[in-house]
Amino acid sequence: GAVVSQHPSWVICKSGTSVKIECRSLDFQATTMFWYRQFPKQSLMLMATSNEGSKATYEQGVEKDKFLINHASLTLSTLTVTSAHPEDSSFYICSAYKTDTQYFGPGTRLTVL
Amino acid sequence: GENVEQHPSTLSVQEGDSAVIKCTYSDSASNYFPWYKQELGKRPQLIIDIRSNVGEKKDQRIAVTLNKTAKHFSLHITETQPEDSAVYFCAASDPGTASKLTFGTGTRLQVTL
Repeated sequence: GAVVSQHPSWVICKSGTSVKIECRSLDFQATTMFWYRQFPKQSLMLMATSNEGSKATYEQGVEKDKFLINHASLTLSTLTVTSAHPEDSSFYICSAYKTDTQYFGPGTRLTVL
Repeated sequence: GENVEQHPSTLSVQEGDSAVIKCTYSDSASNYFPWYKQELGKRPQLIIDIRSNVGEKKDQRIAVTLNKTAKHFSLHITETQPEDSAVYFCAASDPGTASKLTFGTGTRLQVTL
């Protein structure tokens, strides 16, 4: 199998606070994980590529100091949205790479008030 | 980088009819093309994929065809059922980073009774 979990499934926070989202590959090791953001009725927008033991690679236009990514083990990557603002409200989805394919987590719905 | 276009954006078919979704990609070096199905509020789920050394692949009611010369690939769903209603995304691998995918904009398929 290739099961990916994500926690929390939803979170509501106040503007200015930070939120951490975890992505875990449950039954396989993933040297590479990806973080996406998806706005309503839109496609998946890649934010960054997370490689175990090294710095994440961010896509153009994504602020690395705002979206902190840590991939400390082969089964866990975290995304921290720092100083969140209402425009950061979105559906954040991670994926883990295994054998040419990406397997997605269930997503985290972030609402910033 | 890779660019993927997907058509149509919405598709409505009657139950039992066939549905076809088409995608084009820009980089001839791309070699892996997955299709994902995403239900509302859920994770994208891989439904079928194809590699560049194959022209067609079928899995029960779902098939994918690939034309490398024209750089386009298509998803075919036969005998559609209401549970096929969802958003479908095509994707193409990034030649520079094999694990990275570029997604199409999505097709909202509605299967009516």
